[in-house]
Amino acid sequence: ELKVEQNPLFLSMQEGKNYTIYCNYSTTSDRLYWYRQDPGKSLESLFVLLSNGAVKQEGRLMASLDTKARLSTLHITAAVHDLSATYFCASQGGSEKLVFGKGTKLTVNP
Amino acid sequence: DAGVTQSPTHLIKTRGQQVTLRCSPKSGHDTVSWYQQALGQGPQFIFQYYEEEERQRGNFPDRFSGHQFPNYSSELNVNALLLGDSALYLCASSLGPGSAYEQYFGPGTRLTVT
Repeated sequence: ELKVEQNPLFLSMQEGKNYTIYCNYSTTSDRLYWYRQDPGKSLESLFVLLSNGAVKQEGRLMASLDTKARLSTLHITAAVHDLSATYFCASQGGSEKLVFGKGTKLTVNP
Repeated sequence: DAGVTQSPTHLIKTRGQQVTLRCSPKSGHDTVSWYQQALGQGPQFIFQYYEEEERQRGNFPDRFSGHQFPNYSSELNVNALLLGDSALYLCASSLGPGSAYEQYFGPGTRLTVT
């Protein structure tokens, strides 16, 4: 059964600093997603990664995928307060369902 | 182009009652999946509907049931509500079933069971 683990679960960082969120999944994945969720809101799609070595960037966020290591990373560059949110990774491994990690609650402090 | 829509936005029910949540997929999408997100947790897959049939089901009891209509919209029904059913219920639609198609999420329905 596909399992997805994220770490850290909580991340407090200062504005201007860099950090990486890690997402490990247990079995072969067809797609790896990263989402952002603000309190009380739905999921906002950030990135969809399809193949080994895929790298996507949007603003201060960059996601990558290593299918051999079953690892995806979300790198935050020069964090700003507006990035404060909960970030989820989700894997879709040859079936209908997305399997989500527990999420990383990011707080960016001035 | 309208995205995925869900109704109602919020509702409050009492233990033992029944509830129906509704979802309209994104234009052109024929597949609907439902997820439950408890507070502080990641979403959990409930089931997926395609061609008016349930294709796959997650680890949820039979109290959770669904339906898909010919226009591809879908309902999620929960019977005999428990306090633990309080959650954000998310609907996602896609161009087809399986992992070949990205799922697009709606705004969610917040269910509170008292």
